Amino acid sequence: DAKTTQPPSMDCAEGRAANLPCNHSTISGNEYVYWYRQIHSQGPQYIIHGLKNNETNEMASLIITEDRKSSTLILPHATLRDTAVYYCIVRSGDSNYQLIWGAGTKLIIKP
Amino acid sequence: NAGVMQNPRHLVRRRGQEARLRCSPMKGHSHVYWYRQLPEEGLKFMVYLQKENIIDESGMPKERFSAEFPKEGPSILRIQQVVRGDSAAYFCASSPGTGGTGELFFGEGSRLTVL
Repeated sequence: DAKTTQPPSMDCAEGRAANLPCNHSTISGNEYVYWYRQIHSQGPQYIIHGLKNNETNEMASLIITEDRKSSTLILPHATLRDTAVYYCIVRSGDSNYQLIWGAGTKLIIKP
Repeated sequence: NAGVMQNPRHLVRRRGQEARLRCSPMKGHSHVYWYRQLPEEGLKFMVYLQKENIIDESGMPKERFSAEFPKEGPSILRIQQVVRGDSAAYFCASSPGTGGTGELFFGEGSRLTVL
């Protein structure tokens, strides 16, 4: 599975959009981009995933560049409860797990 | 519709004792995954099991660690003769297996402290 690179931390004002970048320049054609988050000491929570097209659900939007080498997770109206560590993971479509998760981005939402 | 259940949530053991962590997957899920997380680090895969089978244990130390997912009952991660370096949060995840979105559903974790 390809490796991902994320900034270690970010701040965002409450009510504003939080844009979390992820670099996955070695991604291959059958690898999906997944985003999870981990709120302090809890189990990771699935947010969204995509292959080529941009995706949106009730939690977030995922924007994948045309060359698929990077992506951005967008939380449209961040709340204090969105403070968490956000993990960007790339995995093969036929494998259901990831050997190593990076350190992720610690997102702090400020009032 | 209960999620992934892990117990105990917190476990304290002295060096040399055994730690046994249990995980009940979501209803209808037949695939279980165990991960370990040290403070301020990401999750590290340990083992992937289906009912009565170990599919991939490449992330699990060869000694002292074992995992099972019997036909009946929860999956168990067993750590024998624990050492201080085993102190960590151990997360279990489950999935329905083939098909679906590939999403993993995680439990709240078991935090092992070795004194």
